[in-house]
Amino acid sequence: NAGVTQTPKFQVLKTGQSMTLQCAQDMNHNSMYWYRQDPGMGLRLIYYSASEGTTDKGEVPNGYNVSRLNKREFSLRLESAAPSQTSVYFCASREGHGEQYFGPGTRLTVT
Amino acid sequence: EDKVVQSPLSLVVHEGDTVTLNCSYEVTNFRSLLWYKQEKKAPTFLFMLTSSGIEKKSGRLSSILDKKELFSILNITATQTGDSAIYLCAVSMNTGFQKLVFGTGTRLLVSP
Repeated sequence: NAGVTQTPKFQVLKTGQSMTLQCAQDMNHNSMYWYRQDPGMGLRLIYYSASEGTTDKGEVPNGYNVSRLNKREFSLRLESAAPSQTSVYFCASREGHGEQYFGPGTRLTVT
Repeated sequence: EDKVVQSPLSLVVHEGDTVTLNCSYEVTNFRSLLWYKQEKKAPTFLFMLTSSGIEKKSGRLSSILDKKELFSILNITATQTGDSAIYLCAVSMNTGFQKLVFGTGTRLLVSP
């Protein structure tokens, strides 16, 4: 099993450009999450999806949108990237109240 | 506001030392506490604790939860350089969705 996969692994954007980060899981989990990780800030929740067809804002949603395309896939879109969005982005999935499984991360730099 | 606080923020020890990492929390409707290890990439799961006073153990790592005092500790004995990582604590709550609140982590460096 691949677990949680993310693409791309690295990305450099210019301010104002847009991009979509892709995430897929093959564990048949209902819940999926997008986090960003910045030095000294820990993991902060951007958006989550409790089940297919539903999405909700987390702690730091401004500047982002998400789509839960189906049970497997949960994408994160930056419509107009800003330098403050330079970060490492992690997708995760979970079933019920068990552990969360994380993808390998996307390192995004916005210049 | 739900909060998870880890201490120390960073720690340098020599190989063979024993370390104790701390995690305290203030959350509504606590369900469980999880520990993760993060090396260069994604966090990997170590332990999930739901009951007070019951130690979870895996090799040289062990953890225990105190639900009365709202904290957990992660112990690593006979540390090795491969234990160098960020250790993350997270709390899960009995909310309508399965949200985790993470601490900022403890960065551990084990020197040879």
